[in-house]
Amino acid sequence: EAGVAQSPRYKIIEKRQSVAFWCNPISGHATLYWYQQILGQGPKLLIQFQNNGVVDDSQLPKDRFSAERLKGVDSTLKIQPAKLEDSAVYLCASSDARWTSVGTQYFGPGTRLLVL
Amino acid sequence: AQSVTQPDIHITVSEGASLELRCNYSYGATPYLFWYVQSPGQGLQLLLKYFSGDTLVQGIKGFEAEFKRSQSSFNLRKPSVHWSDAAEYFCAVGAGTASKLTFGTGTRLQVTL
Repeated sequence: EAGVAQSPRYKIIEKRQSVAFWCNPISGHATLYWYQQILGQGPKLLIQFQNNGVVDDSQLPKDRFSAERLKGVDSTLKIQPAKLEDSAVYLCASSDARWTSVGTQYFGPGTRLLVL
Repeated sequence: AQSVTQPDIHITVSEGASLELRCNYSYGATPYLFWYVQSPGQGLQLLLKYFSGDTLVQGIKGFEAEFKRSQSSFNLRKPSVHWSDAAEYFCAVGAGTASKLTFGTGTRLQVTL
């Protein structure tokens, strides 16, 4: 079974530029998560989708971050404009559990973003 | 809201020695508990999980963890550490009514030969 795929693996941009990350979850997984992991910290949930609907975006800085999952499969996370403090690893995870119950989340390799 | 504390930021053990990584959680009801491992430049890999039942949980790579409700703990153990176990370990807690996970800050394990 193929795992969670993410691209790109690394990205370096200047502050105020925009950047987008892509995630392809495990086939059949309805729930998809985006996490931000700052160096030295644990992952922090940014947004959670159930199919193509958002179920939790309370931690997403909506003035600069956006995410979509239009067809309920792939997802894109965008930052516009980027700030220095956005430098982090962005992890995508998926689960076959509904968002209303706890299941096992499977993580992709992450995208390491450096904002200069 | 749930929270997780991993008191040890960094631990060094010798290869072949036993290992215990500490995790304390805060949650009002029965928690769902996880241990993940992250190797440098990699995503998180699930080691083991506790949902209910037997409080001693076996995982991959020879790891086990014990859920102790009275101590609000879910410590990870391994009887004999291998050099390849060097990585960062994260404990996480999930609430029963939602699938959101809250992670601890992680413990970095260094293994000396």
